[in-house]
Amino acid sequence: QVQLQQWGAGLLKSAETLSLTCTVYGGSLSDYYWTWIRQPPGKGLEWLGESSHSGVTDYNPSLKTRVTISVDKSKNQFSLRLTSVTAADTAVYYCARTSKTAIAADGKGVVWLDPWGQGSLVTVSS
Amino acid sequence: SSELTQDPVLSVALGQTIRITCQGDSLRSYRASWYQQKPGQAPVLVLYGENNRPSGIPDRFSGSTSASTTSLTITATQAEDEAVYYCASRDNSGNHPYVFGSGTKVTVL
Repeated sequence: QVQLQQWGAGLLKSAETLSLTCTVYGGSLSDYYWTWIRQPPGKGLEWLGESSHSGVTDYNPSLKTRVTISVDKSKNQFSLRLTSVTAADTAVYYCARTSKTAIAADGKGVVWLDPWGQGSLVTVSS
Repeated sequence: SSELTQDPVLSVALGQTIRITCQGDSLRSYRASWYQQKPGQAPVLVLYGENNRPSGIPDRFSGSTSASTTSLTITATQAEDEAVYYCASRDNSGNHPYVFGSGTKVTVL
């Protein structure tokens, strides 16, 4: 059973760089996408971006200039970097594994995020 | 557009059935997945695709889809089903690769 364990600095100052890492246990990085999601206090989930095991990335357009997701196959890890943080970036950050797109009987595609990491609260102070 | 719309709050009596809906243009091309989040915990996948439940998810959770609307139904709702439920899907609008719904808080009475 695949498990994700994440870690990183929990308290940052404005303009610093957020850095989080997620280690994959019980499986390899191959054949999946590796994703970061965040949740501001009391709010909903926001998809930040993903990377394939070979490093093909896609990002939330609202954060594209500040976010980088990378994979390290040798360590079975993937990481999130978010530059120039502000108080608006205060949130619980989650890592997750995203499936490849499957095709349902009606021809529609489907992807799902499973499992998720335990979450990391990152607080940005001014 | 790249939005998935959910009712903010729903309530259900213990043992009854509740349907949680999710609407959005992306659902015309993609099926949704559903996530359950309890306070202080990471979201957990409860349903994906046509009607697929991960291992460990009870069969009282089921799904249905039509056009641009998808639903998660919980039958014989238990107290432990009280949570926030999010739908999510890929989005081919070109604006947003993946999108979450706004979440539905389910209260079990």
